[in-house]
Amino acid sequence: DGGITQSPKYLFRKEGQNVTLSCEQNLNHDAMYWYRQDPGQGLRLIYYSQIVNDFQKGDIAEGYSVSREKKESFPLTVTSAQKNPTAFYLCASKGPAETAKSNTEAFFGQGTRLTVV
Amino acid sequence: QQPVQSPQAVILREGEDAVINCSSSKALYSVHWYRQKHGEAPVFLMILLKGGEQKGHDKISASFNEKKQQSSLYLTASQLSYSGTYFCGTESASYDKVIFGPGTSLSVIP
Repeated sequence: DGGITQSPKYLFRKEGQNVTLSCEQNLNHDAMYWYRQDPGQGLRLIYYSQIVNDFQKGDIAEGYSVSREKKESFPLTVTSAQKNPTAFYLCASKGPAETAKSNTEAFFGQGTRLTVV
Repeated sequence: QQPVQSPQAVILREGEDAVINCSSSKALYSVHWYRQKHGEAPVFLMILLKGGEQKGHDKISASFNEKKQQSSLYLTASQLSYSGTYFCGTESASYDKVIFGPGTSLSVIP
């Protein structure tokens, strides 16, 4: 079955540590995204990538880093520079439109809930 | 550049109708609508492209007014399963990043 997988589901981090969240998709999608969601809040874009070996900052990139060495994988590292990392992190992927007059939806993983202890 | 959604929250009784609005200050290429249950991933509802297209399935439909950069989601004869937070996501160009609004919390009660 095609899909997008995030791991782990729950992650605990000590202050000052870097942690990496995994996101893998087998949908053959070029575009991948990382969003952060805080309680009662919307989805805020951290980073996105439209092609292998290229990525762009979103609205809240400070304290995060990403890599896109393979089409299937888009890991997110939460660095110690991120002052308030406790949140629900969602990864998504999106395929290209088949025609100039169509579009495709974003497919989401099940999320990783990160807690700083 | 985050789209604005209204209302922030709405409570309905089963069978009632609701409208959720999404507007952007930027010219839009398309609008996505998703529903999220607490602690779960957002679930795709529909996409609308510029051209004023209206789409729908079952009792949920949506419209897109590209001139006003607005989209509305219509839920008719609401069911308990409609409860959740509804997000609109906007793209300014084909194959662009998807920016989501803050969400509208919808609760359907018996």
